[in-house]
Amino acid sequence: NAGVTQTPKFQVLKTGQSMTLQCAQDMNHNSMYWYRQDPGMGLRLIYYSASEGTTDKGEVPNGYNVSRLNKREFSLRLESAAPSQTSVYFCASSAQGGGLAGGQRRTDTQYFGPGTRLTVL
Amino acid sequence: DAKTTQPPSMDCAEGRAANLPCNHSTISGNEYVYWYRQIHSQGPQYIIHGLKNNETNEMASLIITEDRKSSTLILPHATLRDTAVYYCIVRVGGTSYGKLTFGQGTILTVHP
Repeated sequence: NAGVTQTPKFQVLKTGQSMTLQCAQDMNHNSMYWYRQDPGMGLRLIYYSASEGTTDKGEVPNGYNVSRLNKREFSLRLESAAPSQTSVYFCASSAQGGGLAGGQRRTDTQYFGPGTRLTVL
Repeated sequence: DAKTTQPPSMDCAEGRAANLPCNHSTISGNEYVYWYRQIHSQGPQYIIHGLKNNETNEMASLIITEDRKSSTLILPHATLRDTAVYYCIVRVGGTSYGKLTFGQGTILTVHP
């Protein structure tokens, strides 16, 4: 059980190049998320997928696209990288779903991957 | 989601209890208090969460005041590996989307 995995761990791009960050989880979770973290700041949500087949914008979606390939995988694509996208990118997943019964207590806990450190020159 | 206020930094001696406060005076009745931490360069790690009762797990205890306007995360026997940024997050539990809003957090430094 690897939890949440992300590839690559590090990446350097030139302005205008494109790339896709990969994320996979093996916990059978319904929801997946992409965050970015800039130096000295908290995490900001880019996109999320509440369930397979759905995606929604977070607080900073501009310049990014996502694909929920299947229940396990959620990818983040930079079509034309810019220096402002230099950041550490974290993927997360949570079980989510169901009603508000007692068993719901832990289902929306998010579990994070190790991050991808991206530099755009 | 309610806004939280945490001290920017705290120190703690190894082996002692670390008590990290969080103010959330505008919390709503259906909002939970979550604590995450981030050890340098790693992904955030879930610690504990609660609604109104005190909670304890293998990592920490969470004490929520009766009026729910503040809470304290307690690491009973801090170790050097507990040095991290600790985030207090208030959000509605069991919603259809579980996005977390991270503030600046508290930098906890555990000294030998």
